[in-house]
Amino acid sequence: GESVGLHLPTLSVQEGDNSIINCAYSNSASDYFIWYKQESGKGPQFIIDIRSNMDKRQGQRVTVLLNKTVKHLSLQIAATQPGDSAVYFCAEAISGGGADGLTFGKGTHLIIQP
Amino acid sequence: ETGVTQSPTHLIKTRGQQVTLRCSSQSGHNTVSWYQQALGQGPQFIFQYYREEENGRGNFPPRFSGLQFPNYSSELNVNALELDDSALYLCASSLAPLGGLSYGYTFGSGTRLTVV
Repeated sequence: GESVGLHLPTLSVQEGDNSIINCAYSNSASDYFIWYKQESGKGPQFIIDIRSNMDKRQGQRVTVLLNKTVKHLSLQIAATQPGDSAVYFCAEAISGGGADGLTFGKGTHLIIQP
Repeated sequence: ETGVTQSPTHLIKTRGQQVTLRCSSQSGHNTVSWYQQALGQGPQFIFQYYREEENGRGNFPPRFSGLQFPNYSSELNVNALELDDSALYLCASSLAPLGGLSYGYTFGSGTRLTVV
C-alpha cells in the first residue's frame, strides 16, 4: 500500500550547521503533512505542519517545504543545536471524509556533532 | 493546561493474556487516537474515538479494541497477546470538528508493552 517514507535513516551534522531532513510520500490524496520530533523515551512532539495549498511554511528555526509535483517534503532546521538530536518523523493525512489517522514514515535519526 | 498522560509507563505480559492501557486526553480535546510503535519504526494508527465511538480504524485485528469515556479519556484493550504486540503504545488527543481530521495532535509519552 501507499505509505510515507524517508530517504536517510541517519543524518549527522555539525553543531551550528543547517539540517535538511527529507521525506517522500506516495499517497496523492494526502493533503496535510506534519513533522514530529521524538526523543528517547518520549512521545512524538509536534514541530510544524503544512497543508497542500501551501509550498512553504516557516516556524522558529524550522522551515517545511512541500513539492507536490514530486511528492516530496523536507524539514530544514537552522543553526542546529545539541537539543535537536532526536528521531524526526514526517506524517501525512487526508482531510475530510473521516478519521483515517496519521500515516508515519520510519524516521530519520538526527545526530549533532560538537 | 495538562498534556496527554498515559499509564502505566511500562508493562510486561505473557503471551495469551489481555492488557488494558489508559490515556487521559489534553484539556479541551474531544478526540483520542491510539498508535502502535514498534522499535525503530514510525507509529502506526490503530483507531480513533470521538464522542465515545470508534470513528476510524487502521489495519489492526478486532482483538485490539478501545473505549472513550465522557471525560474524553480512553482505554486500549488488547486480547490474546502475541509476541509481536510488544511495542510502544501511544495515545494522541486532539480537537476534531465533527470527529474528522484534526489539525493538532498532542501525544503522550506512551506505554512500553513487552509480551513474553
